[in-house]
Amino acid sequence: GAGVSQSPSNKVTEKGKDVELRCDPISGHTALYWYRQSLGQGLEFLIYFQGNSAPDKSGLPSDRFSAERTGGSVSTLTIQRTQQEDSAVYLCASSLAVGPYGYTFGSGTRLTVV
Amino acid sequence: KNEVEQSPQNLTAQEGEFITINCSYSVGISALHWLQQHPGGGIVSLFMLSSGKKKHGRLIATINIQEKHSSLHITASHPRDSAVYICAVRSRGADGLTFGKGTHLIIQP
Repeated sequence: GAGVSQSPSNKVTEKGKDVELRCDPISGHTALYWYRQSLGQGLEFLIYFQGNSAPDKSGLPSDRFSAERTGGSVSTLTIQRTQQEDSAVYLCASSLAVGPYGYTFGSGTRLTVV
Repeated sequence: KNEVEQSPQNLTAQEGEFITINCSYSVGISALHWLQQHPGGGIVSLFMLSSGKKKHGRLIATINIQEKHSSLHITASHPRDSAVYICAVRSRGADGLTFGKGTHLIIQP
């Protein structure tokens, strides 16, 4: 696609429910990144994919968070048993490859846990 | 201490003024990014630097690797430049970016 597409743009969920966030990167971009922007923490790195592989999951805040990427394209970030502290804007970005390449960010998914 | 420090945190200026936003970092990096975020908007990548200087329209970004410092300049500032400007670095050996807290810029007409 022309840009990085994220869905949904907004999600309100009840505490304890599972949510799935989707990112569709720019076609041909092999690197895909998930970031989180919350009021108290600013922007923080969660996880990246090179192709379908996520070599390092240590940035994920807890074991309730998981992410996968299939076909080297679309990625989903899943949060199980959501908590109020999970409320944030979840941003996806893609780049041509991992390394010193420019990023293109999606518009984000604003998650509110009530 | 954050790995990435930006100054100033807030800046209000008049239309037409020359703007400078500074970024200092404490680790070895492979690249530094300048990002722009309008209120309620997404993040736009302005520059990625690993050395020297880049220019795009009225925006100029410089980096001094030895001093671990980068600046973002805006010439002939305009109210539409009002946004949060974020410096982010990719540390050597790291996977993702580490972000500064951002500089909230307001350009008044």
